[in-house]
Parts: sequence; C-alpha cells; structure tokens
Amino acid sequence: DIQMTQSPSSLSASVGDRVTITCRASQSISSYLNWYQQKPGKAPKLLIYAASSLQSGVPSRFSGSGSGTDFTLTISSLQPEDFATYYCQQSYSTFRTTFGPGTKVDIK
Amino acid sequence: EVQLVQSGAEVKKPGESLKISCKGSGYSFTSYWIGWVRQMPGKGLEWMGIIYPGDSDTRYSPSFQGQVTISADKSISTAYLQWSSLKASDTAMYYCARRDDSSGWGNFDYWGQGTLVTVSS
Repeated sequence: DIQMTQSPSSLSASVGDRVTITCRASQSISSYLNWYQQKPGKAPKLLIYAASSLQSGVPSRFSGSGSGTDFTLTISSLQPEDFATYYCQQSYSTFRTTFGPGTKVDIK
Repeated sequence: EVQLVQSGAEVKKPGESLKISCKGSGYSFTSYWIGWVRQMPGKGLEWMGIIYPGDSDTRYSPSFQGQVTISADKSISTAYLQWSSLKASDTAMYYCARRDDSSGWGNFDYWGQGTLVTVSS
C-alpha cells in the first residue's frame, strides 16, 4: 500500500498566521491527493481535491499544491474556525486509498 | 441536498454481532461508491472498504478483509457495515462517505455523521 506521512504532527498558531502542512506519499501519486478538515466530534470535511482544486463552499484562504510525492496545504490567514485536525488522502490506488496520520492545528 | 444519515450509537459485548447503516438521499444512490472509514478513539482515519450499490461490487482494505462485511440494499438507498463477532478493539467511530466519481479523483465529498460503536464486557 502507498504510505502517507504528514508534517508537522501538530502545530500552534495564532489567528491571522499563514499555516503550511506537508504531506508526502511513499510513491508517486500524480495529483490524486485530497485534504480534509476534521473538528472534534464531527465528520471530516473535504477541503481540496486533485491536489489543488478547492471544494465548493470552502473559503479561498485554503489552497493546495504539489504533485508526484510532495504536497502542501496552506491556510493563508488562520481563522478561529480553522483550528482542527487536517488529513491528506491518496486516491491514486482506487481501491487501496490511504490517509495520512493527521496534523492538529491549535491555538498558540 | 445530498445527505448520508447513519444509524445511532451502539453498545455491545464482545462476541456479539452488529450491523450499522448509512442511508443516502438527495442523489442517485446506485451511481456512487460508498466507503466506510474507521476512527479509533483519539486516532486517525482508516479506510475499511467500499461498495458500489448499483451492482454491490465490494472491495476491502487488506486490514479489514474477513473482519467485516459491507453490503447495500439499493431499494432503500442504504449501505451497511456488519460484524459477526465483535472485539473490544472494534470500539471506534465509523463513518460512511460518498466517493465523488463525477470528479474522477476519488475524493469523498459527503460524509455521514458517524456511528459510535462501543464494545465492552
């Protein structure tokens, strides 16, 4: 299976900060990389698909980039509602999809 | 409006059987794959398997093959996840999610609210 890693595993940031989360795949996955946000007690929410496409309704402060094995999720100006855990997911292996371990973003 | 509504929380004893459900509405249920995702307490997301309700084609993660059964009843737009003999290690939140095949990128665009399964003697 394709293994996904994320860094950092957690970070502390302030409202208004620019935040970048990295996701790396164990082999090339082209642009088959998706990002989700999960708040405590809630289901995950799709933010970005195909590495850089913003899901409908998601604020434009969220952006994604990368291809191959290295990807980033950027929040341009962190808002109070953005404190959450973020997961990447590779969907290159159609029936062997895997998620990264998550990055928790909390308040500094 | 697309919705996936899951059945309620369950408390079971080890060795008992269980079937939880995920009812889709607001879209053509038979045209999209439905996946199941496990989240153990305080842990990350694990993909368990996926089913195409149109023809019940089902695929499992190797980690869950033989441990659970995924099924669907297209007549009532409902997918299921079942266990024949629960273990304490099955204690987790379980989510169903629709795979967005219209985009072709394999992302899960709609999620159920989750079903908490607690297995304890």
